[in-house]
Amino acid sequence: EPEVTQTPSHQVTQMGQEVILRCVPISNHLYFYWYRQILGQKVEFLVSFYNNEISEKSEIFDDQFSVERPDGSNFTLKIRSTKLEDSAMYFCASILEASEAQYFGPGTRLLVL
Amino acid sequence: AQKVTQAQTEISVVEKEDVTLDCVYETRDTTYYLFWYKQPPSGELVFLIRRNSFDEQNEISGRYSWNFQKSTSSFNFTITASQVVDSAVYFCALLSNTGNQFYFGTGTSLTVIP
Repeated sequence: EPEVTQTPSHQVTQMGQEVILRCVPISNHLYFYWYRQILGQKVEFLVSFYNNEISEKSEIFDDQFSVERPDGSNFTLKIRSTKLEDSAMYFCASILEASEAQYFGPGTRLLVL
Repeated sequence: AQKVTQAQTEISVVEKEDVTLDCVYETRDTTYYLFWYKQPPSGELVFLIRRNSFDEQNEISGRYSWNFQKSTSSFNFTITASQVVDSAVYFCALLSNTGNQFYFGTGTSLTVIP
């Protein structure tokens, strides 16, 4: 069964450093998402992406964040200058059509020191 | 505004007991979708069910069943004859027909004691 993959599974970085989290959505899917889950808390929406542009973003997704689909298969989330509070699990998700269930990747656990 | 409330933060049951996880949602949309996801200790989010607002038929899948009641804006999830492998955090989520983001509840942590 096709699945969403994410790399790396864990990343540790120093505050102020840039990180890029990578996702490979399911190949025929058209809508892509990033979510964040701070330890022990609920899953929070960051951004949605369709047709090579951001379609919606939350208040969390400020100028420090950016997304890109550089080559038609990868979908990346970049955090330009990490802060301690960026420590969380980051989930990528994709769907074929709007309103369908989102298939989530296994997550990248980011720790900012 | 869209909102999902899971009032039960933690539940513990003994194996083979039935358990119901509550979910109450708020939306002004007439068309919307409700979901349940399971998050085991390993951390991934596992899709369990999707229900649209026009389909109030209850669903059963093995030991899992879901009770959707529009009149009370609830979408409750019951596990029958619980097993240790059911131990996880369960999230209810709402997807509006006008938006394209999920609104997750805060999750219910279920522990099944052998």
